Amino acid sequence: AIQLTQSPSSLSASVGDRVTITCRSSQGISRALAWYQQKPGKTPKLLIYDASSLQSGVPSRFSGSGSGTDFTLTISSLQPEDFATFYCQQFHSFPLTFGGGTNLEIK
Amino acid sequence: QGHLVQSGGEVKSPGASVKVSCKASGYTFTYYTLSWVRQAPRQGLEWMGWISGYNSDAKYAQKFQGRVTMTTDASTSTAYMELRSLGSDDTGVYYCVRVVDAAMVMAFDIWGQGTMVTVSS
Repeated sequence: AIQLTQSPSSLSASVGDRVTITCRSSQGISRALAWYQQKPGKTPKLLIYDASSLQSGVPSRFSGSGSGTDFTLTISSLQPEDFATFYCQQFHSFPLTFGGGTNLEIK
Repeated sequence: QGHLVQSGGEVKSPGASVKVSCKASGYTFTYYTLSWVRQAPRQGLEWMGWISGYNSDAKYAQKFQGRVTMTTDASTSTAYMELRSLGSDDTGVYYCVRVVDAAMVMAFDIWGQGTMVTVSS
């Protein structure tokens, strides 16, 4: 199975900060990667698909990049509502797998 | 848009089975695949498998093969996930999720509210 390793596993940042989260795949997955945001007690929400395509309705401060084995999710200017846990997911091969998550907390 | 509504929480004894339902609305059920994802308490997300809303073809993660069955009822736009031989490590929230698939670009775009399954003696 393809393993996705997210870093950092946790991160403290302030409102207005630029934040980057990394997802590294154990093998090449082209651009078959999505990013999700999950707030405590809530369901995950799709942010990015196909590595860099912004899901409809998601603020433009979120962006994704990468291909192959290395991917990033960037939040250009953190807003109070952005603090949550973020997961990457690969769709390249079965079983579909998720990264371990990055917990973004308020500094 | 679309909406997925799941059945309520369940408490089961070890060795029992659980069947969770997921009713879709707001889109054509047969046009999409539905996936099941679980999340153990304070843990990450785990893909269990998926099933076509069109022809009910299912694919399961090897970890759950032989213990899980996913089915659909297109007449009611409802999907079901049955997990057997439950153990304490099956405790968690189970989500049904719509899979959007356009020209081989896939994502999980609509999530059900989740069903808490507790396995306890």
